[in-house]
Amino acid sequence: KNQVEQSPQSLIILEGKNCTLQCNYTVSPFSNLRWYKQDTGRGPVSLTIMTFSENTKSNGRYTATLDADTKQSSLHITASQLSDSASYICGAERGGGNKLTFGTGTQLKVEL
Amino acid sequence: NAGVMQNPRHLVRRRGQEARLRCSPMKGHSHVYWYRQLPEEGLKFMVYLQKENIIDESGMPKERFSAEFPKEGPSILRIQQVVRGDSAAYFCASSPTAAGSEQYFGPGTRLTVT
Repeated sequence: KNQVEQSPQSLIILEGKNCTLQCNYTVSPFSNLRWYKQDTGRGPVSLTIMTFSENTKSNGRYTATLDADTKQSSLHITASQLSDSASYICGAERGGGNKLTFGTGTQLKVEL
Repeated sequence: NAGVMQNPRHLVRRRGQEARLRCSPMKGHSHVYWYRQLPEEGLKFMVYLQKENIIDESGMPKERFSAEFPKEGPSILRIQQVVRGDSAAYFCASSPTAAGSEQYFGPGTRLTVT
């Protein structure tokens, strides 16, 4: 069964600190792995897209890693800001189609 | 270049009524996807359309739900005889090409069934 699981479910960190979010997937055949940021009441916004041949990709303070062998990905946020407070969603695309399977997200709260 | 637009942003319907959700993709995008997001749950794929064609509707409930993307005008997600369980946020995304391309999401329509 094609699934995506994320951890932790929620996370609270202090402003300026770093954090790492995890994503495990069982989508097969695998095409690519995506990370999105979703603010409350808004649509998801893409952070990174990685194919199976890519190990890491950065977008500003966001760095995603992918291990296609273990089917694991992580999103590392550096020097967190209050505006990073949001839900971070991992999605995996199957090969041969545009259908994305998403995890339930990690709710991140950055506090002063 | 305007982003993906969805309307209405909020929709309230009584049980048994019909709900019509509209999605205008980004300019130049011919691929449209609909997702449903229930509270505390992840985004669930519903349907993938190209102009005048349904490509993949494997996530659509078999009854009461339909989608279209006509040659002219927005994509429409139609829910007939709504029930309380249909209350959710419905998101539309669009992409310029097929598999592997970036999907740009709209702001969503929040449907409440009373």
